[in-house]
Amino acid sequence: LAKTTQPISMDSYEGQEVNITCSHNNIATNDYITWYQQFPSQGPRFIIQGYKTKVTNEVASLFIPADRKSSTLSLPRVSLSDTAVYYCLVTTSGTYKYIFGTGTRLKVLA
Amino acid sequence: DAGVIQSPRHEVTEMGQEVTLRCKPISGHDYLFWYRQTMMRGLELLIYFNNNVPIDDSGMPEDRFSAKMPNASFSTLKIQPSEPRDSAVYFCASSLQGFDAEAFFGQGTRLTVV
Repeated sequence: LAKTTQPISMDSYEGQEVNITCSHNNIATNDYITWYQQFPSQGPRFIIQGYKTKVTNEVASLFIPADRKSSTLSLPRVSLSDTAVYYCLVTTSGTYKYIFGTGTRLKVLA
Repeated sequence: DAGVIQSPRHEVTEMGQEVTLRCKPISGHDYLFWYRQTMMRGLELLIYFNNNVPIDDSGMPEDRFSAKMPNASFSTLKIQPSEPRDSAVYFCASSLQGFDAEAFFGQGTRLTVV
């Protein structure tokens, strides 16, 4: 499984756009990129998944360049309730594993 | 559906005792995962099942840990004997397909071994 690297922590202010980048240099052809969010005392929650280019849903956007060695989760206009840990995962076809790294602790300030 | 249901939410036990954690996956989901989360080690995948069959238990730390899935709606994670270093939050998750599907997590069981 490809190893992921992401910043340990980030601070932002309410109303700003937040971009969290994840490196996955060893990503393979059959790998997908998936992001999860975890609030304190709760289990992780799926945010978005993509393979290449750009994916957007009601919560976030995911940008994946052509070489797929990195990806960027974009959260538009964050609020205090977006304070959480965000995990980038590389999930591989056929292994059915969700391996979580250290995550990025996002703190949204008023 | 009520989501993934775990019980108990909190468990405090003495070292050496047997501990059993329970999980009810979302109906119709055919994958079930057990995770452990600590400050030091983060979120670790312990074992996962597909259609009630254990597929990968390489994350199970020791023989003291065992997991079963007797049917599609129930799974247990047992620790016998328990040790203080087993103190963690244990999460169960289920998913419908596998690698390209989202996993739904339960609220977790906070285990404290004293």
